[in-house]
Amino acid sequence: DAGVIQSPRHEVTEMGQEVTLRCKPISGHDYLFWYRQTMMRGLELLIYFNNNVPIDDSGMPEDRFSAKMPNASFSTLKIQPSEPRDSAVYFCASSPRLALNEQFFGPGTRLTVL
Amino acid sequence: SQQGEEDPQALSIQEGENATMNCSYKTSINNLQWYRQNSGRGLVHLILIRSNEREKHSGRLRVTLDTSKKSSSLLITASRAADTASYFCATSGGSNYKLTFGKGTLLTVNP
Repeated sequence: DAGVIQSPRHEVTEMGQEVTLRCKPISGHDYLFWYRQTMMRGLELLIYFNNNVPIDDSGMPEDRFSAKMPNASFSTLKIQPSEPRDSAVYFCASSPRLALNEQFFGPGTRLTVL
Repeated sequence: SQQGEEDPQALSIQEGENATMNCSYKTSINNLQWYRQNSGRGLVHLILIRSNEREKHSGRLRVTLDTSKKSSSLLITASRAADTASYFCATSGGSNYKLTFGKGTLLTVNP
C-alpha cells in the first residue's frame, strides 16, 4: 500500500507568488495533518482535518495560508502571497484514528521562497 | 504548552553502543510517542506509550515513561550506523489529541 504522497517534493518560487502544496493521505485514514518544519521552530502543526472537515486551524500562521480537503483522498495547502519566511519543509500526515494517534508522514515538500 | 523537549540535542556514539535520549514535557498527557526522521525524509513512528504504562519494548527500542516527573526516555540498544537520524518525542493530552513535537535529538552512530 502506498504511503502518504506529497507533491511537489521541491518548490522554488519568488516572493509574492502563490504556492500550492498537495497531499494524498493513506486510503481509509480519517485524519489528515499539515505540519511545517524549520530549524528555528521545529515541527509545527498548522491544521488538521477529520473526515474532510477542518477541526483545528489554530496553527495556521496568517491569512495568507489556507488549506482544503475536497475529498477523502486529496488535500491542498495554499500560500498566497508567499514570503521568504515561509521557506520550510511542509509535511502532510494521516492517521486512521485520532485516539490511537500514530501518524504516517509523507516525504515532505521543501519550499524555498526567494 | 505541552511541548516535549528532548535532551541531548545531539549525541554521537560508536556502533554497538547504546543510545539514550530523554524527553520532558509540561502538562498531563494521554500518551507519548517517539518518531525517527532520517535526513531529508518524513517522520516515522517508532513506539507509543500510554500514560498508564511505565515501560514498553519494541525490538531494540525501550521506552520508559515517568508521569510524576513528566519525562520519558528512549533507549536504542546495540546501535547501528543505520540508526543515525533525528529522534522526536511527541505528546498529546487532555481533550485535544493533537500531537506536539519536541525539537529532536540528532543521533549519529559512527561505524
